[in-house]
Amino acid sequence: EAGVTQSPTHLIKTRGQQATLRCSPISGHTSVYWYQQALGLGLQFLLWYDEGEERNRGNFPPRFSGRQFPNYSSELNVNALELEDSALYLCASTQNNPGGEQYFGPGTRLTVT
Amino acid sequence: DQQVKQNSPSLSVQEGRISILNCDYTNSMFDYFLWYKKYPAEGPTFLISISSIKDKNEDGRFTVFLNKSAKHLSLHIVPSQPGDSAVYFCAASCFKGKNTGGFKTIFGAGTRLFVKA
Repeated sequence: EAGVTQSPTHLIKTRGQQATLRCSPISGHTSVYWYQQALGLGLQFLLWYDEGEERNRGNFPPRFSGRQFPNYSSELNVNALELEDSALYLCASTQNNPGGEQYFGPGTRLTVT
Repeated sequence: DQQVKQNSPSLSVQEGRISILNCDYTNSMFDYFLWYKKYPAEGPTFLISISSIKDKNEDGRFTVFLNKSAKHLSLHIVPSQPGDSAVYFCAASCFKGKNTGGFKTIFGAGTRLFVKA
C-alpha cells in the first residue's frame, strides 16, 4: 500500500512569489492535515481538510490556503511569500480513528530567498 | 503557549541501555498521547500511543507511561539500538467532532536521540 506522497521535494522561491505544494493521502483516508516545521521548532498545525472541505485552520495568516480535491488529494498554497515561510511542510492523512494517529509524507522543503 | 513540552532537545545513550524520553502537557482534555519518530529527510512515523484512560502501553522494545496527575508521559526504549537514533516527537490529541475542528493534535518540539554503538 502506497504511503502519503508529497511534491515537490524541494522548492525555492523568492519573496513575494506564490508556492503550491501537493499531497496525496493513503488510499482510503479522507482527511488531510498540513503542518509547518520551521527550523528548531515542532510541527505547527496549518490546515485540516476532510471530504473536500476545510474543517479547521491553525494560527496562520490567510495567505496560507489550500483545497482538497474529490480524490482526497490536497494542495497547500502560500501567497506573498516571506522569508520566515522557509520551512519543511508536512502533509499527513488519517482515517479519523479514535487514537488520531496520522501518517506523514516526506515533506516539501520550501526555501524563500 | 506551549501545551506540549519536550524539555530535553537531545539525549545520548549507549547501545543496549535504556532511553527515556520525557514529555509534559498542560491541557487535561487530551484523549490520546502519541509518539512519532523522525529520520532526516523523512516525515514523522507513528510509533506508539496511549489512551488517557491507561497508564502504560507496551509494544516490543517501546513502552509509554502516562502519569495523568503530573501531566507527564515518557517513552522508554529498551534495549536502545543505533537505528533508534532519530528525533522523537511527543503529541497530544483530542477529537472535537468532525464539524467542530476534528482532531486537535499538538506536537512537542522534539528530542533528538543519539544511540552510540
